[in-house]
Amino acid sequence: AQSVTQPDIHITVSEGASLELRCNYSYGATPYLFWYVQSPGQGLQLLLKYFSGDTLVQGIKGFEAEFKRSQSSFNLRKPSVHWSDAAEYFCAARGGYQKVTFGTGTKLQVIP
Amino acid sequence: NAGVTQTPKFQVLKTGQSMTLQCAQDMNHNSMYWYRQDPGMGLRLIYYSASEGTTDKGEVPNGYNVSRLNKREFSLRLESAAPSQTSVYFCASSAGGRTDTQYFGPGTRLTVL
Repeated sequence: AQSVTQPDIHITVSEGASLELRCNYSYGATPYLFWYVQSPGQGLQLLLKYFSGDTLVQGIKGFEAEFKRSQSSFNLRKPSVHWSDAAEYFCAARGGYQKVTFGTGTKLQVIP
Repeated sequence: NAGVTQTPKFQVLKTGQSMTLQCAQDMNHNSMYWYRQDPGMGLRLIYYSASEGTTDKGEVPNGYNVSRLNKREFSLRLESAAPSQTSVYFCASSAGGRTDTQYFGPGTRLTVL
């Protein structure tokens, strides 16, 4: 069955530190991949997406993600975290014209 | 350009009451979706509409009905609310096609007592 796994339920980082959020997918073929961010009480905002081509994808708010086919991963990174990045982050995948599957989310806490 | 809008933002119901959640998009998107979000479970698809005039069940359709009123609007109805339907509901829309990307509304927080 198709699935998206975010192994970390909760991550705490210090402001200014680097960040990596993990995402692994299980699909028959390489799916289309997405990262969304959800601030408290808000809807989901698209950070970035990967369809094909360059495996390092740049997104909004200084985020980037790297697609690694050999590891079935699409990890989200940011070089220096700001307090405003505290939110919940969702990885999602879609195979072809199929429906989107979401991971269960990673909550990011940023400490001063 | 408001994107995807949802009303109401908050709602409290008693068990057995009915209500309709409204969703509208102004991006001329073909496809629209209803999800529910529960702690630790991510987003689960309730119903979707691939195009105007069509609707299909998603992962958790029981207890819900939908109407694709026109290209802009997609409503979700709870005929007889149950405490298990306490959740945050999100509407999303997308243009469709191979590079389809979903855009989300702000959500409706529903509590059923």
